[in-house]
Amino acid sequence: RKEVEQDPGPFNVPEGATVAFNCTYSNSASQSFFWYRQDCRKEPKLLMSVYSSGNEDGRFTAQLNRASQYISLLIRDSKLSDSATYLCVVTLNNNDMRFGAGTRLTVKP
Amino acid sequence: GAVVSQHPSWVICKSGTSVKIECRSLDFQATTMFWYRQFPKQSLMLMATSNEGSKATYEQGVEKDKFLINHASLTLSTLTVTSAHPEDSSFYICSAIRGGDTEAFFGQGTRLTVV
Repeated sequence: RKEVEQDPGPFNVPEGATVAFNCTYSNSASQSFFWYRQDCRKEPKLLMSVYSSGNEDGRFTAQLNRASQYISLLIRDSKLSDSATYLCVVTLNNNDMRFGAGTRLTVKP
Repeated sequence: GAVVSQHPSWVICKSGTSVKIECRSLDFQATTMFWYRQFPKQSLMLMATSNEGSKATYEQGVEKDKFLINHASLTLSTLTVTSAHPEDSSFYICSAIRGGDTEAFFGQGTRLTVV
Protein backbone atom coordinates (compact mmCIF):
# COMPACT_ATOMS: atom_id res chain seq x y z
CA ARG A 1 0.00 0.00 0.00
CA LYS A 2 1.33 3.45 -0.88
CA GLU A 3 2.10 5.78 2.00
CA VAL A 4 -0.03 8.54 0.53
CA GLU A 5 -2.77 7.79 -1.99
CA GLN A 6 -4.66 10.20 -4.16
CA ASP A 7 -7.06 9.86 -7.04
CA PRO A 8 -4.86 10.89 -10.00
CA GLY A 9 -7.81 12.28 -11.94
CA PRO A 10 -7.83 14.09 -14.25
CA PHE A 11 -10.66 16.25 -13.05
CA ASN A 12 -12.06 18.39 -15.84
CA VAL A 13 -14.50 20.97 -14.53
CA PRO A 14 -16.09 24.14 -15.87
CA GLU A 15 -15.31 27.54 -14.44
CA GLY A 16 -17.29 28.22 -11.32
CA ALA A 17 -17.63 24.58 -10.35
CA THR A 18 -16.86 23.16 -6.95
CA VAL A 19 -14.40 20.29 -6.89
CA ALA A 20 -13.11 18.11 -4.08
CA PHE A 21 -9.96 16.03 -3.82
CA ASN A 22 -9.36 13.25 -1.35
CA CYS A 23 -6.20 11.74 0.06
CA THR A 24 -5.49 8.89 2.45
CA TYR A 25 -2.29 8.13 4.31
CA SER A 26 -1.07 4.92 5.87
CA ASN A 27 1.21 6.03 8.71
CA SER A 28 -0.84 6.84 11.79
CA ALA A 29 2.20 8.58 13.31
CA SER A 30 2.13 11.28 10.63
CA GLN A 31 2.54 14.69 12.16
CA SER A 32 1.72 17.40 9.67
CA PHE A 33 -0.39 17.61 6.56
CA PHE A 34 -0.33 19.93 3.58
CA TRP A 35 -1.73 20.53 0.15
CA TYR A 36 0.78 21.68 -2.45
CA ARG A 37 0.10 22.90 -5.93
CA GLN A 38 2.43 22.01 -8.78
CA ASP A 39 2.24 23.59 -12.20
CA CYS A 40 3.66 21.74 -15.16
CA ARG A 41 7.46 21.50 -15.00
CA LYS A 42 7.63 23.68 -11.91
CA GLU A 43 8.40 23.08 -8.25
CA PRO A 44 5.56 22.45 -5.78
CA LYS A 45 4.26 25.48 -3.94
CA LEU A 46 2.48 25.32 -0.62
CA LEU A 47 -1.22 25.88 -0.99
CA MET A 48 -2.27 25.39 2.61
CA SER A 49 -1.62 23.44 5.75
CA VAL A 50 -4.30 21.09 6.99
CA TYR A 51 -5.50 21.06 10.59
CA SER A 52 -7.83 18.74 12.45
CA SER A 53 -10.24 21.60 13.02
CA GLY A 54 -10.38 22.26 9.31
CA ASN A 55 -9.20 25.46 7.74
CA GLU A 56 -10.30 27.76 4.99
CA ASP A 57 -8.40 30.18 2.80
CA GLY A 58 -10.64 32.04 0.41
CA ARG A 59 -12.09 29.54 -2.02
CA PHE A 60 -10.06 26.67 -0.59
CA THR A 61 -11.09 24.51 2.36
CA ALA A 62 -8.99 21.70 3.80
CA GLN A 63 -10.07 19.03 6.24
CA LEU A 64 -8.19 16.37 8.20
CA ASN A 65 -9.70 13.28 9.75
CA ARG A 66 -7.03 11.56 11.82
CA ALA A 67 -9.25 8.66 12.81
CA SER A 68 -9.81 7.75 9.17
CA GLN A 69 -6.37 8.96 8.06
CA TYR A 70 -8.00 11.06 5.42
CA ILE A 71 -7.40 14.57 4.05
CA SER A 72 -9.54 16.57 1.70
CA LEU A 73 -9.34 19.76 -0.32
CA LEU A 74 -12.38 21.62 -1.57
CA ILE A 75 -12.14 24.31 -4.22
CA ARG A 76 -15.16 26.52 -4.73
CA ASP A 77 -15.90 28.76 -7.71
CA SER A 78 -13.07 27.26 -9.77
CA LYS A 79 -10.95 29.61 -11.85
CA LEU A 80 -8.99 28.85 -14.99
CA SER A 81 -5.85 29.62 -12.99
CA ASP A 82 -6.64 26.77 -10.60
CA SER A 83 -5.62 24.30 -13.30
CA ALA A 84 -2.65 22.42 -11.85
CA THR A 85 -1.69 19.22 -10.08
CA TYR A 86 -2.56 19.17 -6.40
CA LEU A 87 -0.26 17.16 -4.17
CA CYS A 88 -1.26 15.77 -0.82
CA VAL A 89 1.76 15.82 1.50
CA VAL A 90 2.21 14.12 4.83
CA THR A 91 5.14 14.79 7.13
CA LEU A 92 6.55 12.25 9.51
CA ASN A 93 8.04 13.21 12.86
CA ASN A 94 11.51 13.52 11.36
CA ASN A 95 10.27 16.08 8.84
CA ASP A 96 10.40 13.55 6.02
CA MET A 97 7.72 14.56 3.56
CA ARG A 98 5.76 11.92 1.69
CA PHE A 99 3.95 12.99 -1.42
CA GLY A 100 0.86 11.63 -3.04
CA ALA A 101 1.00 11.10 -6.78
CA GLY A 102 -1.04 14.24 -7.29
CA THR A 103 -4.47 14.97 -8.68
CA ARG A 104 -4.59 16.81 -11.95
CA LEU A 105 -7.24 19.50 -12.27
CA THR A 106 -8.21 21.25 -15.50
CA VAL A 107 -10.69 24.09 -15.28
CA LYS A 108 -12.28 24.89 -18.62
CA PRO A 109 -14.05 28.05 -19.77
CA GLY B 1 9.23 34.55 2.54
CA ALA B 2 12.01 32.03 2.54
CA VAL B 3 13.79 31.52 -0.76
CA VAL B 4 15.55 28.42 -1.97
CA SER B 5 17.62 28.72 -5.10
CA GLN B 6 18.55 25.68 -7.15
CA HIS B 7 21.11 25.70 -9.93
CA PRO B 8 21.25 24.85 -12.76
CA SER B 9 17.61 24.85 -13.83
CA TRP B 10 18.36 22.49 -16.67
CA VAL B 11 21.35 20.51 -17.86
CA ILE B 12 22.16 18.12 -20.66
CA CYS B 13 25.11 15.81 -20.21
CA LYS B 14 26.66 12.79 -21.87
CA SER B 15 26.41 9.30 -20.46
CA GLY B 16 29.20 8.54 -18.06
CA THR B 17 29.80 12.10 -16.95
CA SER B 18 28.93 13.63 -13.57
CA VAL B 19 26.58 16.50 -12.88
CA LYS B 20 26.45 18.65 -9.76
CA ILE B 21 23.27 20.40 -8.66
CA GLU B 22 23.34 23.11 -6.00
CA CYS B 23 20.61 24.02 -3.57
CA ARG B 24 20.96 27.20 -1.54
CA SER B 25 18.74 28.75 1.09
CA LEU B 26 19.15 32.46 0.42
CA ASP B 27 17.65 34.11 3.47
CA PHE B 28 17.54 31.49 6.18
CA GLN B 29 19.59 28.71 7.66
CA ALA B 30 18.35 25.32 6.62
CA THR B 31 18.79 22.72 9.31
CA THR B 32 17.60 20.03 6.95
CA MET B 33 17.54 19.76 3.19
CA PHE B 34 15.84 17.13 1.10
CA TRP B 35 16.45 15.91 -2.40
CA TYR B 36 13.63 14.59 -4.57
CA ARG B 37 13.33 13.11 -8.01
CA GLN B 38 10.26 13.30 -10.19
CA PHE B 39 9.71 11.30 -13.35
CA PRO B 40 7.09 12.46 -15.86
CA LYS B 41 3.54 12.20 -14.58
CA GLN B 42 4.71 10.78 -11.29
CA SER B 43 4.94 12.16 -7.80
CA LEU B 44 7.99 13.51 -6.07
CA MET B 45 10.05 10.71 -4.60
CA LEU B 46 12.34 11.44 -1.69
CA MET B 47 15.91 10.41 -2.46
CA ALA B 48 17.73 11.52 0.64
CA THR B 49 17.64 13.71 3.71
CA SER B 50 20.64 15.89 4.40
CA ASN B 51 21.62 17.53 7.68
CA GLU B 52 24.43 20.05 7.82
CA GLY B 53 27.74 18.53 8.74
CA SER B 54 26.58 14.93 8.74
CA LYS B 55 26.13 12.18 6.20
CA ALA B 56 22.94 12.11 4.22
CA THR B 57 20.30 9.51 4.92
CA TYR B 58 19.29 7.77 1.72
CA GLU B 59 15.94 6.21 0.98
CA GLN B 60 15.77 2.55 0.15
CA GLY B 61 16.75 1.87 -3.44
CA VAL B 62 18.75 5.08 -3.87
CA GLU B 63 22.45 4.40 -4.47
CA LYS B 64 24.51 6.62 -2.20
CA ASP B 65 27.63 6.13 -4.28
CA LYS B 66 25.83 7.28 -7.39
CA PHE B 67 23.99 10.22 -5.88
CA LEU B 68 26.52 12.04 -3.75
CA ILE B 69 25.09 14.57 -1.34
CA ASN B 70 27.18 17.14 0.47
CA HIS B 71 25.65 19.51 3.00
CA ALA B 72 28.68 21.59 3.81
CA SER B 73 26.92 24.56 5.38
CA LEU B 74 23.55 25.63 6.71
CA THR B 75 22.78 27.31 3.39
CA LEU B 76 24.15 24.93 0.79
CA SER B 77 23.59 21.34 -0.19
CA THR B 78 24.81 19.73 -3.39
CA LEU B 79 23.70 16.62 -5.25
CA THR B 80 26.17 15.06 -7.65
CA VAL B 81 24.89 12.48 -10.10
CA THR B 82 27.94 10.38 -10.91
CA SER B 83 28.40 8.33 -14.07
CA ALA B 84 25.06 9.50 -15.35
CA HIS B 85 22.93 7.18 -17.47
CA PRO B 86 19.94 8.05 -19.64
CA GLU B 87 17.62 6.51 -17.03
CA ASP B 88 18.84 9.17 -14.59
CA SER B 89 17.11 11.77 -16.75
CA SER B 90 14.55 13.32 -14.46
CA PHE B 91 13.46 16.44 -12.61
CA TYR B 92 15.45 16.87 -9.41
CA ILE B 93 14.12 19.20 -6.71
CA CYS B 94 15.54 20.19 -3.37
CA SER B 95 13.69 21.53 -0.39
CA ALA B 96 14.84 23.10 2.84
CA ILE B 97 13.37 23.46 6.28
CA ARG B 98 14.13 26.28 8.66
CA GLY B 99 14.90 25.30 12.21
CA GLY B 100 11.68 24.92 14.19
CA ASP B 101 9.45 25.01 11.11
CA THR B 102 7.55 22.23 9.43
CA GLU B 103 6.96 24.04 6.17
CA ALA B 104 9.37 23.13 3.40
CA PHE B 105 10.57 25.60 0.79
CA PHE B 106 11.39 24.20 -2.62
CA GLY B 107 14.01 25.07 -5.15
CA GLN B 108 12.97 25.66 -8.73
CA GLY B 109 14.10 22.20 -9.77
CA THR B 110 16.71 20.95 -12.20
CA ARG B 111 15.76 19.12 -15.34
CA LEU B 112 18.52 16.66 -16.14
CA THR B 113 18.74 15.02 -19.54
CA VAL B 114 21.43 12.40 -20.08
CA VAL B 115 22.17 11.60 -23.70
